[in-house]
Amino acid sequence: GAGVSQSPSNKVTEKGKDVELRCDPISGHTALYWYRQSLGQGLEFLIYFQGNSAPDKSGLPSDRFSAERTGGSVSTLTIQRTQQEDSAVYLCASSFRYQETQYFGPGTRLLVL
Amino acid sequence: GESVGLHLPTLSVQEGDNSIINCAYSNSASDYFIWYKQESGKGPQFIIDIRSNMDKRQGQRVTVLLNKTVKHLSLQIAATQPGDSAVYFCAEIKGGGGKLIFGQGTELSVKP
Repeated sequence: GAGVSQSPSNKVTEKGKDVELRCDPISGHTALYWYRQSLGQGLEFLIYFQGNSAPDKSGLPSDRFSAERTGGSVSTLTIQRTQQEDSAVYLCASSFRYQETQYFGPGTRLLVL
Repeated sequence: GESVGLHLPTLSVQEGDNSIINCAYSNSASDYFIWYKQESGKGPQFIIDIRSNMDKRQGQRVTVLLNKTVKHLSLQIAATQPGDSAVYFCAEIKGGGGKLIFGQGTELSVKP
């Protein structure tokens, strides 16, 4: 079946611009997660959504970052007023239920000039 | 602090040999552990997982061992193939939580 998909696959933007990254989870998965992978770094958690519960936003690095999940499916990660240090690969994952195996998408590679 | 770390940043093995990738974790409250494989330009791919009530779990050519006494996790790959070349990450989930905490990764290189 179809896995997690993300778009765009690559995004180049200028410092100060806003960007939106999209994630389509695996159909039927109730939990959705966003992670960031910086060059030479591991993966760091950003935010996750579980069903209708309030999202866990504890990993968002600043108030320039926000995310929403509409209709319990597609999610959008928004970065406002992008900075060069926001350059990274943004990865989305989903799981059938909370605390179960997370399956990752291919990521969006963001470059802020 | 809370961290999942890997002992070796790189591992080079000969094709056909067995590979062992190690991971140390510091949070005794973690109850779910996962190994992911990441190839260049791709997202992490699930390999195998293990819950804290188990010591060993086997998959196809892979085995994960969990030693809770010394907070150590390992991934064994049997008959390593060139297609196994990638970065391997261990990750943990704390009891009651949902987010993955990743280690820094080990790059496995398989020589033909």
